Amino acid sequence: QVQLVESGGGVVQPGGSLRLSCAASGFTFSTYGIHWVRQAPGKGLQWVAAISGDGHITNHADSLKGRFTISRDNSKSTLYLQINSLRLEDTAVYYCSIDGGVSQLTSWGQGTLVAVSS
Amino acid sequence: QSALTQPRSVSGSPGQSVAISCTGTSSDVGAYNYVSWYQQHPGKAPKFIIYDVTKRPSGVPDRFSGSKSGNTASLTISGLQAEDEADYYCFSKSGAFSWVFGGGTKLTVL
Repeated sequence: QVQLVESGGGVVQPGGSLRLSCAASGFTFSTYGIHWVRQAPGKGLQWVAAISGDGHITNHADSLKGRFTISRDNSKSTLYLQINSLRLEDTAVYYCSIDGGVSQLTSWGQGTLVAVSS
Repeated sequence: QSALTQPRSVSGSPGQSVAISCTGTSSDVGAYNYVSWYQQHPGKAPKFIIYDVTKRPSGVPDRFSGSKSGNTASLTISGLQAEDEADYYCFSKSGAFSWVFGGGTKLTVL
């Protein structure tokens, strides 16, 4: 069955960097666009970024452009999110999710927690 | 990419119906029939419950339905059950390759 497993989260100081990974299995990875979505503690869901199945099209939330970069390696069935210049407000659980159509986040990982703290 | 507007909370008694609105603009909800809805229980990942405004994925009870009028989409849950108590989020395409979530609504089953 479809499985998404995020990793790479942890405690990081402000100004630091992290690369999150999302390992996928159970489906043809290169066929689907994938999104990163985050959720700050006690807050709602926020769309972070998306990438097309072939990796040629990407986009990021306007407020995160310049610091966040989505990418994928279809040979490894893995999605990435590079986060630079981390801020306190980036503290959140980061989820990856498959887009099964258009705006259809059909399957989700369990999330990985990023905690930005000095 | 401002968040879509949802009521912070709604409530209803078992067996009743509730509706959750999701108001956007002519650039997102009003522009596309690509609104989906998600249910999230505490500590869990979101669950996909409605797509393309009105369609239900397999396995989602027909108590859940969606609609749209202009810039506002709605999720209606009929025959409320205790397990429906959760947070609900709308999600809409907002550009060629851009998306936005609603702020979320907490549903309380009284």
